[in-house]
Amino acid sequence: EVQLLESGGGLVQPGGSLRLSCATSGFRFSSYAMSWVRQAPGKGLEWVSSISGSSGIIYYADSVKGRFTVFRANSKNTLYLQMNSLSAEDTAVYYCGKGGVSTTPLSDWGQGTLVTVSS
Amino acid sequence: QSALTQPPSASGSPGQSVTISCTGTSSDVGGYNYVSWFQQHPGKGPKLMIYEVSKRPSGVPDRFSGSKSGNTASLTVSGLQAEDEADYYCSSYGGSDNLVFGGGTKLTVL
Repeated sequence: EVQLLESGGGLVQPGGSLRLSCATSGFRFSSYAMSWVRQAPGKGLEWVSSISGSSGIIYYADSVKGRFTVFRANSKNTLYLQMNSLSAEDTAVYYCGKGGVSTTPLSDWGQGTLVTVSS
Repeated sequence: QSALTQPPSASGSPGQSVTISCTGTSSDVGGYNYVSWFQQHPGKGPKLMIYEVSKRPSGVPDRFSGSKSGNTASLTVSGLQAEDEADYYCSSYGGSDNLVFGGGTKLTVL
């Protein structure tokens, strides 16, 4: 059974940083692209970033480019999202997903972790 | 990249069929067969229901079907059941190494 478990969310002040983790199990992690998708309170889904299995291909949404960094540790079956220069607009539940932007659909999702940016 | 356009709400009675549309452009929905549909119940993570326009993952009932015509993709739920009440989101490859989602449709089973 595929399992994805996000962690690392919490309350952070504007301008601050936070690192999210997504621990996975039940599949060959290194063979799959992985993605982060967020959902602001009461709003729809917004794609944030995707990374290929080898980390050789990385994509970001324009809204986070230059502030967020996605990376993965295949030896630990874990995906990460380093978030810097956070603003209120980044407040959302952050989901990790197994899959990418095109050929590999987002077939499995975690339960999400809430990031709140507020003073 | 603009979000795909979905109706904010849809409804139907148990046993009926309902279709949710997802309109994009020739640069996303119309240009690629990488359209997916997700179901999300309150407080839960999304669940993949349809991928590559019309393919169903294992375990998804065949009451759910997908199609595409031009720049508009559609999700049809036949034989509506109470547990189908949820938010539904479409997504498409955006053509510029990105993924774009629709705004979501709240499906109500009357």
